[in-house]
Amino acid sequence: EDQVTQSPEALRLQEGESSSLNCSYTVSGLRGLFWYRQDPGKGPEFLFTLYSAGEEKEKERLKATLTKKESFLHITAPKPEDSATYLCAVQATSGTYKYIFGTGTRLKVLA
Amino acid sequence: EPEVTQTPSHQVTQMGQEVILRCVPISNHLYFYWYRQILGQKVEFLVSFYNNEISEKSEIFDDQFSVERPDGSNFTLKIRSTKLEDSAMYFCAIRRASLTDTQYFGPGTRLTVL
Repeated sequence: EDQVTQSPEALRLQEGESSSLNCSYTVSGLRGLFWYRQDPGKGPEFLFTLYSAGEEKEKERLKATLTKKESFLHITAPKPEDSATYLCAVQATSGTYKYIFGTGTRLKVLA
Repeated sequence: EPEVTQTPSHQVTQMGQEVILRCVPISNHLYFYWYRQILGQKVEFLVSFYNNEISEKSEIFDDQFSVERPDGSNFTLKIRSTKLEDSAMYFCAIRRASLTDTQYFGPGTRLTVL
C-alpha cells in the first residue's frame, strides 16, 4: 500500500535556526513527490516537485531534496512568516495522478 | 492570481440535507480532483475527473457523493444526504494538462454538518 510519513509532527524554531523536515514514502512506482505549504484554514500552496533521486529544488529559504526512500525540506535561517504546515505528497506512476498526502509538519518560527 | 476558486467558503447544513460545493477554474483545465481534510487529519483523495467522467475514486467516495461539470466550466461535488462525519474542508484541485503533474488547490470549502 502506498504510504507517506512525515516527521516531526510539530517543530518550533527560533528565527534564524535552520532545520530539516522529513518525508518518508513507499509507493509502487514514484512519478513525483510534491511539497506544499498550508496556512490555517487555507488550501495547500505549491512549493516544489521532485521526480528522481538526487534532484534538488530551491526557493528562497527552502530547499527540497529527494532520495529513493525519502525527501527532506531544508529551511535555512527561517523567519516567523515561514510558520505553516508543510505537506508532502507522492504521486504514483499508475492511476490518475492522485496525490497521497502525509499528515504534515506544523512549523512554528519564533521571533 | 489563483488557479481556481471555490464557493461557498463555508457551508453549514443539517444532517441529511444535500449540499453542492463548487469549483471554478480560472482558465481551461482538463483534470479535476476533489480532496477532503477532516480537522487535524491528513488531506485525503476523493475523486478525479477527466473528459467529463470519473477517472478514479477512493473508498470514501461512496454512493452519497457525485461530481459533474454541468456547464463546461464549474466543477461540482454533491453530497446527497450529509452525515456528521462529512464535516471537513473540501478542496478542489486542478491539473493544467498531461504535460505537468502538479496540482493547484483552491482555497477550500469548510462544510459543517449539524
